[in-house]
Amino acid sequence: EPEVTQTPSHQVTQMGQEVILRCVPISNHLYFYWYRQILGQKVEFLVSFYNNEISEKSEIFDDQFSVERPDGSNFTLKIRSTKLEDSAMYFCASSEGQGDGYTFGSGTRLTVV
Amino acid sequence: AQSVTQLDSQVPVFEEAPVELRCNYSSSVSVYLFWYVQYPNQGLQLLLKYLSGSTLVKGINGFEAEFNKSQTSFHLRKPSVHISDTAEYFCAVSDQEYGNKLVFGAGTILRVKS
Repeated sequence: EPEVTQTPSHQVTQMGQEVILRCVPISNHLYFYWYRQILGQKVEFLVSFYNNEISEKSEIFDDQFSVERPDGSNFTLKIRSTKLEDSAMYFCASSEGQGDGYTFGSGTRLTVV
Repeated sequence: AQSVTQLDSQVPVFEEAPVELRCNYSSSVSVYLFWYVQYPNQGLQLLLKYLSGSTLVKGINGFEAEFNKSQTSFHLRKPSVHISDTAEYFCAVSDQEYGNKLVFGAGTILRVKS
């Protein structure tokens, strides 16, 4: 069964450093998403991406965040200057169309120290 | 904005007993509803989804859910649980009025005891 692949599975970074979280969505999917889950809290929407541009973003997704699809397969989330409160599990997801169930990756656990 | 309420943070149940995990969402004209399962240290796996049509939806691992528009509910059920069903279960909703994003509930931890 097709999978969404996320790398790395764990990342530890120092406060203020930049991190890039990588995702390979399912190849025929057109919609891409990033969600995060702070330990013990809800899964929260960050951003959706369609047709090479952001289609929607949440209040969490401020100027320190950016997304990119640098080639035909990868979808990245960049956090420019990490803060302690950015520590969370970050999930990438993709879907074939609107309203379809998403396929989520296994997540990247980001720890900011 | 859409919101999802999962009424139980934890549900303990004995193996082979039935279980119901409750989910209510804020009303909207047209919603899509989902249940996801998260096993420890793993990602979110889609259990089942309601897009339209029959209000009783069957999913993987013997789970099913019923969409009740009048009560704005989408409760998840399984007639006989197994130890391996121990996991956290998330209800989620999306609707076209608020874009395509999923709004998740807080999750329900299902603990199956032998």
